[in-house]
Amino acid sequence: GENVEQHPSTLSVQEGDSAVIKCTYSDSASNYFPWYKQELGKGPQLIIDIRSNVGEKKDQRIAVTLNKTAKHFSLHITETQPEDSAVYFCAAIGKFWGGADGLTFGKGTHLIIQP
Amino acid sequence: EPEVTQTPSHQVTQMGQEVILRCVPISNHLYFYWYRQILGQKVEFLVSFYNNEISEKSEIFDDQFSVERPDGSNFTLKIRSTKLEDSAMYFCASSEGGSVSPYEQYFGPGTRLTVT
Repeated sequence: GENVEQHPSTLSVQEGDSAVIKCTYSDSASNYFPWYKQELGKGPQLIIDIRSNVGEKKDQRIAVTLNKTAKHFSLHITETQPEDSAVYFCAAIGKFWGGADGLTFGKGTHLIIQP
Repeated sequence: EPEVTQTPSHQVTQMGQEVILRCVPISNHLYFYWYRQILGQKVEFLVSFYNNEISEKSEIFDDQFSVERPDGSNFTLKIRSTKLEDSAMYFCASSEGGSVSPYEQYFGPGTRLTVT
């Protein structure tokens, strides 16, 4: 089955600086890679995703890049703000025939934005 | 904005008891999921459900677990005889499954299950 590794486990950056979180996956058949933000006591919130036919996707201050050859994808947050502080999870899905596949998650990165 | 809702937010039960966790997926979504997250660990897939039957399940989803869509809006996870190691946050998710955003799974706020 799919295995997703995520680094770092904790990332502390100064407010206004950029943050980068990296994930690798094992199943070359994986074709969808979402990122979730989880605030304390809440469920994971989908913030951005990328499909295997795209190398990069951007949405305001966040962007995701995908390297299918190397089987890794990254989340980039620019101009970080205090409200970006949360745990971020990457995930992958191996196949899609109709939406029923479960996501395989990484272990999460605790992002701390220092004022 | 439509969202997935879950009840109760916190459930305390004794070992060996049955529990039912409830979810109301987003109304036009066709695919439903349960995940769990043990404190401090990653989110783990349990089961997916489509067209009134289980589509995929993980090795965690053993005979103690069952899912049901008893009516047009609710989706439930039943744990028949709870164990201490079932203590976790349980998340329900749903996805549209259509052509526009078939992959996107939206999560509810979770039910914290504590087994004593």
